[in-house]
Amino acid sequence: QQQVKQSPQSLIVQKGGISIINCAYENTAFDYFPWYQQFPGKGPALLIAIRPDVSEKKEGRFTISFNKSAKQFSLHIMDSQPGDSATYFCAPSTGFGNEKLTFGTGTRLTIIP
Amino acid sequence: DTAVSQTPKYLVTQMGNDKSIKCEQNLGHDTMYWYKQDSKKFLKIMFSYNNKELIINETVPNRFSPKSPDKAHLNLHINSLELGDSAVYFCASSQRGNRETQYFGPGTRLLVL
Repeated sequence: QQQVKQSPQSLIVQKGGISIINCAYENTAFDYFPWYQQFPGKGPALLIAIRPDVSEKKEGRFTISFNKSAKQFSLHIMDSQPGDSATYFCAPSTGFGNEKLTFGTGTRLTIIP
Repeated sequence: DTAVSQTPKYLVTQMGNDKSIKCEQNLGHDTMYWYKQDSKKFLKIMFSYNNKELIINETVPNRFSPKSPDKAHLNLHINSLELGDSAVYFCASSQRGNRETQYFGPGTRLLVL
């Protein structure tokens, strides 16, 4: 069973546009909501993360929006650049002592000039 | 000065063979993980060790046996390799209680023929 679902599966955005990736989860015990970025041939790397006590977090061009009641969170990439082309994963986790990440299905983002 | 390193980077072997993948981290973290990424890019945790103690053991065939000689190393031994074991295996490490420190290695690409 898939506890964490991402959409879309793939996304093509023009340079300078806004990329939006969504993540829906079922486990209400999740209390840490990160997004990971993975380039081809590399391991995933933490991009940005949010905790459930806030609804939005912004770091540079990257913003997470969190909707606890809907059990969804999303990644917004403003002014998307070709260097942002990668696969993005949401990977929520539960509390201390069980810090495994439950990865979403992944979104392949391509930024075209 | 690589933070999380894995050897080998590539591994091509025949069905039925036994192979090992090694992981080392120099971040001073006390928790290490093995994740498997399949051909569809789906990432799933396999094992986690905290200070050489097994704390997460997902539903993984007995042919997979992790070993942690010390908290900086986590190796993965696979017996009787099967075609379905072909995947990319990622090692990761973190400091328990600080989920934002989970760093991934570059991955080991295993191909079973």
